Amino acid sequence: GAGVSQSPSNKVTEKGKDVELRCDPISGHTALYWYRQSLGQGLEFLIYFQGNSAPDKSGLPSDRFSAERTGGSVSTLTIQRTQQEDSAVYLCASSLDGLGMSAFFGQGTRLTVV
Amino acid sequence: GESVGLHLPTLSVQEGDNSIINCAYSNSASDYFIWYKQESGKGPQFIIDIRSNMDKRQGQRVTVLLNKTVKHLSLQIAATQPGDSAVYFCAENQAGTALIFGKGTTLSVSS
Repeated sequence: GAGVSQSPSNKVTEKGKDVELRCDPISGHTALYWYRQSLGQGLEFLIYFQGNSAPDKSGLPSDRFSAERTGGSVSTLTIQRTQQEDSAVYLCASSLDGLGMSAFFGQGTRLTVV
Repeated sequence: GESVGLHLPTLSVQEGDNSIINCAYSNSASDYFIWYKQESGKGPQFIIDIRSNMDKRQGQRVTVLLNKTVKHLSLQIAATQPGDSAVYFCAENQAGTALIFGKGTTLSVSS
């Protein structure tokens, strides 16, 4: 596609449920990033995929969070047993090679845990 | 830990003025820096980037300055317009690592 696509754009879920957020990066981009942004706050790094290398998971806040990237393209961020503090906008970005190239962002998924 | 931060959380300017948004970083190993603009309800949008082997780079109405001696980055916007109102983030990166963002500066432009 022309840009990074994220789905759904909005998700409301009950506390304790699992959710999956999807990211379709720009075609050909080998690097993919997930960030979390709480209301009025900056971007909190979650996880980074670069080619076939092991992902950098150092930003994942707990073991309830996981992400995978299949076939070097689409990525899914999974949050298990959601909590109210998980409510935020989850942003995905991709870049051509991650080696200093600029990253382009999707519009984000707004997650609300009730 | 190492992080990227901004000096001021908010900046208010008049239309037509020049704006300067500042950012301090602490990781001397960072070799790539980016400025992003984020409008309400949207994802961050790339504005301009600069590598550590440069000290200045110009785009359309925007200039980024890098001072590696004091680990300082700035974004200058010429002839600021109401459409420039947004939150501006700087981000740093080392080769092969994730982009790390600062907290952001909210720019408000009044007519």
